[in-house]
Amino acid sequence: DVKVTQSSRYLVKRTGEKVFLECVQDMDHENMFWYRQDPGLGLRLIYFSYDVKMKEKGDIPEGYSVSREKKERFSLILESASTNQTSMYLCASSLRNVEAFFGQGTRLTVV
Amino acid sequence: GEDVEQSLFLSVREGDSSVINCTYTDSSSTYLYWYKQEPGAGLQLLTYIFSNMDMKQDQRLTVLLNKKDKHLSLRIADTQTGDSAIYFCAEITGGYNKLIFGAGTRLAVHP
Repeated sequence: DVKVTQSSRYLVKRTGEKVFLECVQDMDHENMFWYRQDPGLGLRLIYFSYDVKMKEKGDIPEGYSVSREKKERFSLILESASTNQTSMYLCASSLRNVEAFFGQGTRLTVV
Repeated sequence: GEDVEQSLFLSVREGDSSVINCTYTDSSSTYLYWYKQEPGAGLQLLTYIFSNMDMKQDQRLTVLLNKKDKHLSLRIADTQTGDSAIYFCAEITGGYNKLIFGAGTRLAVHP
């Protein structure tokens, strides 16, 4: 079974903190994605990566950065967390055009 | 730019058919997907269709694609309470296989 693992299910951070969300996949997938999910807005793409050290901005990259030093790991970084970044964060990985597999999500609350 | 649109809510009676609609904007999309998200769970691929197909049937699920109108629909026959979930339409777009989602349609099944 393909497994996409996000490091935390729930996180509470303070405004201004630097936050790292980690995602690891075990199927040697080229593509990895970070989304945030908010009620009524669906999944919005923050960043995606199609290879090691390669990244592309999604629809809402402001306030976020990413890192992909190894193929299996894709990290999302909030440089200075703000309350409007309180959300559910979903990581996914895929092989080119084939099915994308999702992690269970990280619910981040910024206070 | 790329955009995927869906209505937000659908309510059906148990045993009836459900039809969830989606429109997309990128005419070069090669794959279109339907994902299902049950309460408290991650996203799981329900079905997908290649852009050169008009229809795909998989047990109770029927996907119809009108490429001219960029319209995708998911029909669930004999809808059951276990089908209550959020259904997301998604497309692969762009040279780097960016995966874009709609806002999701919340399907409520009542007796």
